[in-house]
Amino acid sequence: KQEVTQIPAALSVPEGENLVLNCSFTDSAIYNLQWFRQDPGKGLTSLLLIQSSQREQTSGRLNASLDKSSGRSTLYIAASQPGDSATYLCAVRHEYNFNKFYFGSGTKLNVKP
Amino acid sequence: GAGVSQSPRYKVAKRGQDVALRCDPISGHVSLFWYQQALGQGPEFLTYFQNEAQLDKSGLPSDRFFAERPEGSVSTLKIQRTQQEDSAVYLCASQDPRRNSPLHFGNGTRLTVT
Repeated sequence: KQEVTQIPAALSVPEGENLVLNCSFTDSAIYNLQWFRQDPGKGLTSLLLIQSSQREQTSGRLNASLDKSSGRSTLYIAASQPGDSATYLCAVRHEYNFNKFYFGSGTKLNVKP
Repeated sequence: GAGVSQSPRYKVAKRGQDVALRCDPISGHVSLFWYQQALGQGPEFLTYFQNEAQLDKSGLPSDRFFAERPEGSVSTLKIQRTQQEDSAVYLCASQDPRRNSPLHFGNGTRLTVT
């Protein structure tokens, strides 16, 4: 079974810092990888989706990279702001069983003003 | 609607009661997923629908859990004889027919079984 791990579990940084969140997965047979943001008491909001054939995707201050062969993805957040405070989760979609998305437990980010 | 809508937002049930959780997906989204999220954890897959067909229910934890989507849009997740271990947030997600389209989640239903 695919195992998805996110490190660190929690991160606290001062406003303005650039930061990197990590996601690793054990089975490289993935169709795509998606990064989500979850605010307290809310559902998940999709941030970036990277297809298995891509190396990275960018949206505003966010950049996600994917190294499928090594089972790793990173989410880079530039010039962090207090509004970025949330839990960030990654999910991989199985290459053959499209019904299956496997989620990590998330990184809880706190950006201090 | 503009997004995935779930109701109720909160549900408190006494142990042994039956509950029904509703999900109204984005119009036109044929794929619908139910997930269970425990505190501090990522969502765990429960079941998947394509239109009205339930194609995968391998994640349902017991036969007390039942899901349906009779007309291919609104879905209901029913839990019979609730137990304390059923306490969690239940998330619904929908996706449009393109496989590389993102999942869209509702805000979830927080179920507390006392």
